[in-house]
Amino acid sequence: GAVVSQHPSRVICKSGTSVKIECRSLDFQATTMFWYRQFPKQSLMLMATSNEGSKATYEQGVEKDKFLINHASLTLSTLTVTSAHPEDSSFYICSARGLSGDHEQFFGPGTRLTVL
Amino acid sequence: GDSVTQMEGPVTLSEEACLTINCTYTATGYPSLFWYVQYPGEGLQLLLKATKADDKGSNKGFEATYRKETTSFHLEKGSVQVSDSAVYFCALSPSGYSTLTFGKGTMLLVSP
Repeated sequence: GAVVSQHPSRVICKSGTSVKIECRSLDFQATTMFWYRQFPKQSLMLMATSNEGSKATYEQGVEKDKFLINHASLTLSTLTVTSAHPEDSSFYICSARGLSGDHEQFFGPGTRLTVL
Repeated sequence: GDSVTQMEGPVTLSEEACLTINCTYTATGYPSLFWYVQYPGEGLQLLLKATKADDKGSNKGFEATYRKETTSFHLEKGSVQVSDSAVYFCALSPSGYSTLTFGKGTMLLVSP
């Protein structure tokens, strides 16, 4: 089946620094990638939708200048958390949707971000 | 807006017990409904889906029926295994595979 990877799986950073998370579709081309955030015992909340070669569409309440999303190729999207603060600590999950079939979303394993 | 409510966990069962995880939804129109499973240390995987009323999705012994009259999509399995231990997410999509709205997830723990 389709595989989506995320890197890093865990990251700890100091407050005020920026962190980049990569999401890759390993064996298919992803026209659309989604970024989710998950708090403990909470559901996955969609942050933004990105289409290859165009600007991401952010959900209401998500700061686009804080969460920079780039989808420069059909296999890679990046989420950069700029000037991270402790309240940004969370589990970030990406998914990718391909061209073929019924456009199922395939999910990455997630990235645990801890901001000190 | 759209929302999904599923029972809180953890659900703790012995091997071979019956499983039901309740899921109800609020949405306009006719959404597609999904169950995803997340095994420890892995990403979410699609377990089963149903795209219209009275459809039954099934996979790996799990079943769920799209009940529009009760706006429900309960997940069932007749005999769980230890390997079924995971977190299960109910989700809906307004139209096929566009954006997904998830429930909070229910952890299932199956003991030998």
